[in-house]
Amino acid sequence: SQKIEQNSEALNIQEGKTATLTCNYTNYSPAYLQWYRQDPGRGPVFLLLIRENEKEKRKERLKVTFDTTLKQSLFHITASQPADSATYLCARNTGGFKTIFGAGTRLFVKA
Amino acid sequence: NAGVTQTPKFQVLKTGQSMTLQCAQDMNHNSMYWYRQDPGMGLRLIYYSASEGTTDKGEVPNGYNVSRLNKREFSLRLESAAPSQTSVYFCASSPSGHLAGELFFGEGSRLTVL
Repeated sequence: SQKIEQNSEALNIQEGKTATLTCNYTNYSPAYLQWYRQDPGRGPVFLLLIRENEKEKRKERLKVTFDTTLKQSLFHITASQPADSATYLCARNTGGFKTIFGAGTRLFVKA
Repeated sequence: NAGVTQTPKFQVLKTGQSMTLQCAQDMNHNSMYWYRQDPGMGLRLIYYSASEGTTDKGEVPNGYNVSRLNKREFSLRLESAAPSQTSVYFCASSPSGHLAGELFFGEGSRLTVL
């Protein structure tokens, strides 16, 4: 069965540095991967979607890569700020209308 | 903009009681979903509805039923609640066509089963 694995350990970084979060998937490559942000007590909010034929995608300070050889996506936040502190979720489609999620990685940005 | 609205936000049930979680979206989306989120396990798909009139099982459908009442509304029912169903439930919708795409989530319904 398809799985999404994210580093369960929290990531602590200093303000201004680049945060890099990892998402690994199993079995066949999905047509796309998605990244979401979730704040405590809130629903996830969509950030970026990257398709299988795209190597990299950017949105403001965010960058996502998709490596089908490594079966991995990296999510980068450059010039990180304390307001970026949240849990970040990786998701993939499993065919048709199903989307499955990783458990998320908690990011803490210290001022 | 309301987006995806879930009710109730909080609920406490006793084992064996039944209840329905309501979800409505005002974005004219075709697809709707119910997920549950438990610590350390991420979001798990319970049921989804690709379009009005259709519903399908997700990863963890046992103990739940759903109804796609119309294009806007998708409800989740627990017929006989169990402590293992204590969780945070999220409803989501998506505008996409033949493939699942960007999901828009509600704020969640926190359910405790005693």
